[in-house]
Order: sequence, then structure tokens, then C-alpha cells
Amino acid sequence: EAQVTQNPRYLITVTGKKLTVTCSQNMNHEYMSWYRQDPGLGLRQIYYSMNVEVTDKGDVPEGYKVSRKEKRNFPLILESPSPNQTSLYFCASSPGIQGSPLHFGNGTRLTVT
Amino acid sequence: AQTVTQSQPEMSVQEAETVTLSCTYDTSESDYYLFWYKQPPSRQMILVIRQEAYKQQNATENRFSVNFQKAAKSFSLKISDSQLGDAAMYFCAYRSATQGGSEKLVFGKGTKLTVNP
Repeated sequence: EAQVTQNPRYLITVTGKKLTVTCSQNMNHEYMSWYRQDPGLGLRQIYYSMNVEVTDKGDVPEGYKVSRKEKRNFPLILESPSPNQTSLYFCASSPGIQGSPLHFGNGTRLTVT
Repeated sequence: AQTVTQSQPEMSVQEAETVTLSCTYDTSESDYYLFWYKQPPSRQMILVIRQEAYKQQNATENRFSVNFQKAAKSFSLKISDSQLGDAAMYFCAYRSATQGGSEKLVFGKGTKLTVNP
């Protein structure tokens, strides 16, 4: 089944404790991206990657890191999480074809206390 | 930069009735793509419909159709014969077709749709 897999689905952590949210897609998509969703703000892009070893900042990159060592994986790293990073996070991918819709993972609900 | 506005934070509809969700966007580009995504309580993001800006014909998918008014920069979603399973948050989104501009979807803030039995 073609899908984007995020793990974990729920995560509660404390301020300053490094964490990684994994994302993997099995559709051979070139493009991958991370979004955060907050009430009243919709979805905002954190980072994106057009291909392996090519990543760039989105609208809200502060406090996050990403890497794209393999085409299928695009982990999101929070080196020192803070409470303002409590949010719902989505990984998404699409083919490198103009106008392709994004395929989303099921989301990760992160709470930082 | 492009922006997407959904002016209705919440809407409600009676089962079997028709409802229209509004979306307007701001762009200086002539070529782009528009989407509606549905997010049910399971929080999964599900593509509802896609529209190519250079196509004048409005996209349809079963009970879902759009009214795309390019000059007015409007992209409303019509849901016919509403069903209980249509209850969800709906997001309108814009994606540029320009090289160097298509790296993200720009989302509106969403409209929460309630379907009353």
C-alpha cells in the first residue's frame, strides 16, 4: 500500500530533551516536507526537501532540523524542544511533477512540558 | 507571497443538504494549482479535489465540486447530499506552478464543518 508513515503518533516529552520524529514514504517521491498544525493557524511548512541531500527552510524552521540521506526517509529533529513546539506535525510527500497533491502521513501529536 | 483565506471558521449543514465552503487566495502568478483537503477527527489529511488554474472547467469528484473563479481568485467547495461522514475540518490550499515556487502548499486556516442528522 502506497503511504507515508510517521512515528510516533503521540509523543510527550520535557523541555530540552532531544527527539526525532521519523517519516518514511514508499512511493519513490522526490519531494518531502514537514508541516505543523496549530489551532487557528492552519498548516505551516517547517522544512522541505526536493531530493536526496537537498533541504531548505519553510516558513517556521526555528528549533527544527531535518536530513535527507535516503530518498524514502525525512526525519524531523528537535534538538532542544520547548513548549511552543507543542503541536500536531505532518510529514508529506509528492512526486516531482508540477501540481502534484501532497500525500500526508497520519500526524504526530507532540506535547512538550 | 501567496496567501489563502477561508473566511468561515465554522459551518453547519443538515444531512442530505448542500453546503458551500469559501476560499479566496492572493497571488500574482497565472499558473498554479488549488486543492481542498479534508481532515476528519482521525486527523488524517485527505485530498478531496484538485483544480488546475489554466483549466476553466470546474473540477468535480462525486458529491464534491468547486466553483473556480480565476479573476476573482475564488475557489469554493460545494458538497452535495451531505453525509454524516463529511463532518471534518476542510482546508483550502494553493501550490505554485512556477519553478522555485512550488516547494510548498500554502494552506488556509480551515473551516470546521458540522453535519446535523
